[in-house]
Parts: sequence; structure tokens; C-alpha cells
Amino acid sequence: GESVGLHLPTLSVQEGDNSIINCAYSNSASDYFIWYKQESGKGPQFIIDIRSNMDKRQGQRVTVLLNKTVKHLSLQIAATQPGDSAVYFCADRKTSYDKVIFGPGTSLSVIP
Amino acid sequence: GAGVSQSPRYKVAKRGQDVALRCDPISGHVSLFWYQQALGQGPEFLTYFQNEAQLDKSGLPSDRFFAERPEGSVSTLKIQRTQQEDSAVYLCASRRMLAGGDTGELFFGEGSRLTVL
Repeated sequence: GESVGLHLPTLSVQEGDNSIINCAYSNSASDYFIWYKQESGKGPQFIIDIRSNMDKRQGQRVTVLLNKTVKHLSLQIAATQPGDSAVYFCADRKTSYDKVIFGPGTSLSVIP
Repeated sequence: GAGVSQSPRYKVAKRGQDVALRCDPISGHVSLFWYQQALGQGPEFLTYFQNEAQLDKSGLPSDRFFAERPEGSVSTLKIQRTQQEDSAVYLCASRRMLAGGDTGELFFGEGSRLTVL
């Protein structure tokens, strides 16, 4: 079936280093790919998205890369801070109006 | 409030009881989604409304699950004859009307944690 999955369930990085969170997807028909951040006890929070006709998109301290050839999505966080500790989900959506399908998540721990 | 509000935040039910979970979306948001999140897992889609119309209910796990949004604003997720496997966090999200090129960011509530004993 359609699914979005992750390579690594946990990731630990030193404060100030860059973080890279990876994701593999299987649904080639998706038009949008999205990253969400979920802190303990809270709902997911939108970080950044990218449309399938793009390879790269940058936000504030974050960059999302999309490689459609190998169906791979990554989230890069620059100068990782303790507040970045959370579970990160990649997700996809077929169209602007469709439901969002989530992957299982990567837990990011930032070491002070 | 400015965000999506869900109630109750925590609910403990005995197996076989019926429960109702409420979602107040962001004012003016047209679309409303319900997700189920088991411990350590990603959110799983349950159902989706646009205004009062339920456009997709393909994720509802059984006929014990029912959702409604009668006036296109507040939504209720009802679970009848709860089972232990229904224990999860139920997340509600809303999204505003999409304009051309808008990718439609979902705004999530903090969820309702259901524990079925």
C-alpha cells in the first residue's frame, strides 16, 4: 500500500552540529512532501514542505531535499539546538486537497 | 482561542463504554481531519471533512467509529463499545481554504488520549 517510512528510528546529535533526518517514500503519485515536528504531549507541528517538481527548499535553519529518482526525502537542520529535540515525521499528500499520510517518525535527541 | 482545541485531553473508559471526543478547529478553517496515533507510531488517518461533508472515511477502523461535523465547525469523534486496541491519542487537525499554489498546512490540536481498561 501507500506508505512513507524512515531509515533510522533515533538520532543523537551534539548541540550546534547539523542534523540530517532521512525518509524513504513509496508513493510516486504524491505531489507534496512534508516534514512535521512533534514534541512530547503535543500535536505535530508543520516545519516545511516541498512540491514534487522541486529538488530543494529552504526555510529558517531547515532545508528539505527531494530525490525522486531514489524516492528519498531528507530534512537538514542547521546548528541544532536543544529545542529541536522531538520526533520528526515525514509525510506526503497526493494533491493539495488530499489527506496527509505520515511515516513512523525519527526521534531526534540533542546533546548539550 | 487561536489554535485547534480538543477535549477531553485525557479519557479513561472501561471496555464496552462509548466515548465522544470533541474538536474545535481554528475559526474559518474549512477542512478538518481526525488521526489516531498509537504509542511510538506516526499518526494514522481516520477521516476528513470539508465543511459539513465527510469526504473520506476510509481510515475508520470499524463501524464502531463514527465522526460528524453537522454545522461545518465543531466535530465529534465517537467510539462505541470501546476495546483495548482503541487506546491511543486521537488528533484533530484543521486547514484553511486553499488558494492556488497553497500546499495546505495542517494545524493540529494537542490530542485526546484515550485509555481503555
